[in-house]
Amino acid sequence: AQSVAQPEDQVNVAEGNPLTVKCTYSVSGNPYLFWYVQYPNRGLQFLLKYITGDNLVKGSYGFEAEFNKSQTSFHLKKPSALVSDSALYFCAVRDILEDDKIIFGKGTRLHILP
Amino acid sequence: EPEVTQTPSHQVTQMGQEVILRCVPISNHLYFYWYRQILGQKVEFLVSFYNNEISEKSEIFDDQFSVERPDGSNFTLKIRSTKLEDSAMYFCASSDRRETYEQYFGPGTRLTVT
Repeated sequence: AQSVAQPEDQVNVAEGNPLTVKCTYSVSGNPYLFWYVQYPNRGLQFLLKYITGDNLVKGSYGFEAEFNKSQTSFHLKKPSALVSDSALYFCAVRDILEDDKIIFGKGTRLHILP
Repeated sequence: EPEVTQTPSHQVTQMGQEVILRCVPISNHLYFYWYRQILGQKVEFLVSFYNNEISEKSEIFDDQFSVERPDGSNFTLKIRSTKLEDSAMYFCASSDRRETYEQYFGPGTRLTVT
């Protein structure tokens, strides 16, 4: 069965600094990987996905993520953090051998300090 | 930009009562999903729905739960006899094709069972 691990409950980054939110996954077959963001009192907003092709994928709001098959990781990155990036970030995976449900990690709260 | 909408935003009910949570998926989408997020925990898959039938359900989705697409626009989740542990945020999601992979989420309904 597929699973997702987000090892950090919270990440604090100073505004303007690069940020990384970590994610590792486990699937039987090839993974489809996603990042979603949740702002306070809002739903889950899709950021980016990896399906196939280039290991570095770019998404909304300047975020990008790098798929690393050997390390089974899909870390979310941004070169220069904004205070408005402060939110709850979820990594998610879908196993192409399974049905189309998405399995979410527990989430990482990102605090960007002004 | 089209959005998934959900009503109500917050529902308070007494244990043992029936509740219906409503969702309007994005209009050209064909695949529909319900997820839930117990406070402080990760987002969990409940059920997927396609072509007027359930395509997959989790072990959480027991006989107390049912889903329906009563007309061309609404997608509902019914809990027949609510329990305290049903208190959670319930998210509806939709996607246009299974191959598109990403699912678009609504803002959620917070269900409080007292």
